[in-house]
Amino acid sequence: KQEVTQIPAALSVPEGENLVLNCSFTDSAIYNLQWFRQDPGKGLTSLLLIQSSQREQTSGRLNASLDKSSGRSTLYIAASQPGDSATYLCAARVTNYGGSQGNLIFGKGTKLSVKP
Amino acid sequence: NAGVTQTPKFQVLKTGQSMTLQCAQDMNHEYMSWYRQDPGMGLRLIHYSVGAGITDQGEVPNGYNVSRSTTEDFPLRLLSAAPSQTSVYFCASSRVIGELFFGEGSRLTVL
Repeated sequence: KQEVTQIPAALSVPEGENLVLNCSFTDSAIYNLQWFRQDPGKGLTSLLLIQSSQREQTSGRLNASLDKSSGRSTLYIAASQPGDSATYLCAARVTNYGGSQGNLIFGKGTKLSVKP
Repeated sequence: NAGVTQTPKFQVLKTGQSMTLQCAQDMNHEYMSWYRQDPGMGLRLIHYSVGAGITDQGEVPNGYNVSRSTTEDFPLRLLSAAPSQTSVYFCASSRVIGELFFGEGSRLTVL
């Protein structure tokens, strides 16, 4: 059974710092891995999607990498800003979960606080 | 762009009552799913569908029912609400193995 883990559960950094959020998964047989952002009381916003054949994806100050062999993904945030404060979740799309189509298995997230 | 729309946003029920959470998407996505999010438990899959007329159970399906009569709609029914079903419910949709898009959530309290 696929398990997705995010460490640390919470992270506080000063504004302007570059930071890395970690995501690990137990089964390398995934279709893709997706990073989300969730603000308090809100839904999840998709940040980046990495297909299993890709090594990384970039969007603005965000860069996500994927290493299937080691079961790890990282989300790099450059020059962090207070507006980046939110919970970041990763999710692995498994190749087989109760059927022929893949479902997303979520980590519990890293709560990021960027201090001015 | 509407994306994924959930209604209602808030609901309070008494134990034993039934209700339906509505979910609609306008992106012609084949895949739709329902998650619940609880503190310390993360997001857990309740039910999912890969197309009209096809549904399947996720990790925590007990007490919930779904149907998929059209591509656009995927309602979640609580058959007899229990306090353990107090949670925030999210509907999400995607192409079969594409990027997943979420609704804003429905916050349910069962007294």
